[in-house]
Amino acid sequence: EVQLVESGGGLVQPGGSLRLFCAASGFTFSSYEMSWVRQAPGKGLEWVSHIRTGANAIFYADSVKGRFTISRDNAKNSLYLQMNSLRAEDTAVYYCARENIVAAGNDFDNWGQGTLVTVSS
Amino acid sequence: DIQMTQSPPSVSASIGDRVTITCRASQGISSWLAWYQQKPGKAPKLLIYAASSLQSGVPSRFSGSGSGTDFTLTISNLQPEDFATYYCQQAESFPLTFGGGTKVEIK
Repeated sequence: EVQLVESGGGLVQPGGSLRLFCAASGFTFSSYEMSWVRQAPGKGLEWVSHIRTGANAIFYADSVKGRFTISRDNAKNSLYLQMNSLRAEDTAVYYCARENIVAAGNDFDNWGQGTLVTVSS
Repeated sequence: DIQMTQSPPSVSASIGDRVTITCRASQGISSWLAWYQQKPGKAPKLLIYAASSLQSGVPSRFSGSGSGTDFTLTISNLQPEDFATYYCQQAESFPLTFGGGTKVEIK
């Protein structure tokens, strides 16, 4: 069974940092591209960042570029999101999502349960 | 960036109804369009990919159509478990973008 389990969320002050983790199991992690997607309270879905299988290509939303860093450790079946210079508008549930490789598009067939990040003083 | 516009923002429907949700892309995305269902407090669930391909395990009352800039998600014979929020997502290019969502509510 495919499982994605996020952790690392919490309360942080504006300007602070946080590192999110996504532990993957039940599939060959190194063969799948991965993304982080977030959802502010009561709002819609916002894609944040994407990483290819070998981390040879990485993409960011403009809203987080220069502040967030996505990475992965295929040996540990883990995905990460380092978040620096956090702002109130970064408050959201952060999901890690596995790319659907059945089709060649960038959509997501498995999602974690999410971890809540709250940026507030 | 490709903007995704979903309509309507909400729809009230009864069990057994047919519900149609539309999604328009600001530029052509071929068939690179996905639909998700999200229930409160839960992660999104992939329903449709490549505009019209049904994800494994998803009931056949869900169907998708369209290409280019205009897409449709249809739920036939609405069931109690279908009351949720639905999102479209363009899967053609980065930055990936989602529609604003359509909440399907009980009439």
